[in-house]
Amino acid sequence: ETGVTQTPRHLVMGMTNKKSLKCEQHLGHNAMYWYKQSAKKPLELMFVYSLEERVENNSVPSRFSPECPNSSHLFLHLHTLQPEDSALYLCASSQDPRGPGGMGEQYFGPGTRLTVT
Amino acid sequence: TQLLEQSPQFLSIQEGENLTVYCNSSSVFSSLQWYRQEPGEGPVLLVTVVTGGEVKKLKRLTFQFGDARKDSSLHITAAQPGDTGLYLCVSIGNTGKLIFGQGTTLQVKP
Repeated sequence: ETGVTQTPRHLVMGMTNKKSLKCEQHLGHNAMYWYKQSAKKPLELMFVYSLEERVENNSVPSRFSPECPNSSHLFLHLHTLQPEDSALYLCASSQDPRGPGGMGEQYFGPGTRLTVT
Repeated sequence: TQLLEQSPQFLSIQEGENLTVYCNSSSVFSSLQWYRQEPGEGPVLLVTVVTGGEVKKLKRLTFQFGDARKDSSLHITAAQPGDTGLYLCVSIGNTGKLIFGQGTTLQVKP
């Protein structure tokens, strides 16, 4: 399998549930990203991991908890979400733009459509 | 703060028309990328421009990087309904952080 995959593609959860989103990349990249995309704010970068270390956290509420066990896998653990968290969650990977010659070209997965009821 | 100003934010045109989307900044960038996102999918990388004055063509899409590497444009000739989507310009700031334009939502009506 090639590219960036995300599971599940659709998720409906209640505010008291705990769920996890999974992302896997088969491109040999060393950086992975979580984005939130909603109608109000087209694309918001949430977290950035480089070589499995979190290097960027853009003021994301603690009810979102990322995990990067290795350079190919990225998770987003969700708990006690709010209805306003309903959105498309996109994962991406790239060569780290902080590295030599890195242009940070993003390769996105298809996203998980999350609905919080 | 480095910013990318993208315009227009929304564009609705008829099939066969031409259009241009702009991505401007007061900062100099070493490279810039354009992405297209179709409804229900993730964005897809269209092109990366690196050299000032560079022009790249992808079928009916023409991408240009300004001479001073502060701005870029995307021109679509004879737009088709399949061009409908969100177009994003993205670059990398001085600290290595990604910088995003606000996006242009294009609708091409048959």
